[in-house]
Amino acid sequence: AQRVTQPEKLLSVFKGAPVELKCNYSYSGSPELFWYVQYSRQRLQLLLRHISRESIKGFTADLNKGETSFHLKKPFAQEEDSAMYYCALSGTSGYSTLTFGKGTMLLVSP
Amino acid sequence: ETGVTQSPTHLIKTRGQQVTLRCSSQSGHNTVSWYQQALGQGPQFIFQYYREEENGRGNFPPRFSGLQFPNYSSELNVNALELDDSALYLCASSLGGSSTYNEQFFGPGTRLTVL
Repeated sequence: AQRVTQPEKLLSVFKGAPVELKCNYSYSGSPELFWYVQYSRQRLQLLLRHISRESIKGFTADLNKGETSFHLKKPFAQEEDSAMYYCALSGTSGYSTLTFGKGTMLLVSP
Repeated sequence: ETGVTQSPTHLIKTRGQQVTLRCSSQSGHNTVSWYQQALGQGPQFIFQYYREEENGRGNFPPRFSGLQFPNYSSELNVNALELDDSALYLCASSLGGSSTYNEQFFGPGTRLTVL
C-alpha cells in the first residue's frame, strides 16, 4: 500500500527564516513525488515535482530514496508563502492518480 | 483556455438521500479524477475516468459511482448518504493515455454537508 506522511499539522515561522516541510512516503517501487499548495481561497495547485528538479518560488525538494523522504525547503520564508502544503505520490499502477498526505499549514509571520 | 469547473459550490443533504456533483474538465483534457477531502485531511482518491470508462478506483464503496460524458465532463453520484460523506469533493482533469503521471488540474471543489 502506498502512503504519504506529513508529521506536522502546522509550521509557524518568521519572515526570513528557513522553512522545511517534512514528507515521508511508503511505496514498493519508484514513485513520482509532488508538492501541491493551496493558498487561501484558491484551488489546489502543483508547486513542484521531483522529476523536474525545478525551484519554484524559491522552494526546492530532493527525493531521498534511502530515507523515503521528499522534504520541501526554502531558505528564506516570505509572508506570501503562508498556505496549506500537501505532499503527494503517484505510483505506477497503470493510471495516474495521487495519494496525498494530510497536509501542513505554513504560517509566516512578519 | 478554460479551467476545471465544478457545480454546485455548496450542497446540504440529509442522511439517506442521493447527490450528484458535476465537473467540467479543462479544455483538451480527457481524464477526470475525483477526490474526497474530509476536514483536516488530504484529498483521497475516489475514482478516475478516462475516455468515458472507469480507469481506476480507490477504497470507496459502490454507492459512490460516476460517469464521464463524450465531452469529458463528469458526474459523481453518491447514494444513501451518510454523515461521514460530509466533505469537500474535488475534481481534477488531466490529459491521460499513458502509464506515466500527467499533471492534474484541480477544480475549486463542492462542499457537501450531510445532516
